[in-house]
Amino acid sequence: GENVEQHPSTLSVQEGDSAVIKCTYSDSASNYFPWYKQELGKGPQLIIDIRSNVGEKKDQRIAVTLNKTAKHFSLHITETQPEDSAVYFCAASRGAGSYQLTFGKGTKLSVIP
Amino acid sequence: GAVVSQHPSRVICKSGTSVKIECRSLDFQATTMFWYRQFPKQSLMLMATSNEGSKATYEQGVEKDKFLINHASLTLSTLTVTSAHPEDSSFYICSASVVSGANVLTFGAGSRLTVL
Repeated sequence: GENVEQHPSTLSVQEGDSAVIKCTYSDSASNYFPWYKQELGKGPQLIIDIRSNVGEKKDQRIAVTLNKTAKHFSLHITETQPEDSAVYFCAASRGAGSYQLTFGKGTKLSVIP
Repeated sequence: GAVVSQHPSRVICKSGTSVKIECRSLDFQATTMFWYRQFPKQSLMLMATSNEGSKATYEQGVEKDKFLINHASLTLSTLTVTSAHPEDSSFYICSASVVSGANVLTFGAGSRLTVL
């Protein structure tokens, strides 16, 4: 089955700096890669996703890049703000009607004011 | 956008009792819902896939007789933890997919179960 590795497990940045979280996956058939933000005591919220037919997607301060050859994808947050502090999870799935996601172990991001 | 409501958000029960958690899709129909379990500071682990009108599909290692899942309608799935024990204490999260969507999942806010 699919295996998703996520690094780092914790990340601290100064407010205004950029944060990068990286994930690798094992199943070459995976073609959908969402990123979720989870605040303490809450469910995960989808913040951005990318499909295998594109290499990069951006939404304001958040961007995701995908390298299918190397089987890795990354989340980039620019101009970080204290409210970006949360746990971020990457995930992968095969798509094509399969909604089953395999999650990474998560990255706890702390933005220091 | 799609909203998934989960209830209760917190529940405390005595060991040996059963607890039911509801997951509702509020503004869309969901043929498939997923139930996850999350221990503190850990990732989400898929427990089972709930399909409307049919039996749930459980992941390896998940006891189907202990975690009863019912998906009786396109907007409601329930997870019942039967004869709960302290080791069942965890954060349970459901998610749902839009019927005509392209594998985009919406998650509920989660239910914190504490078994005394």
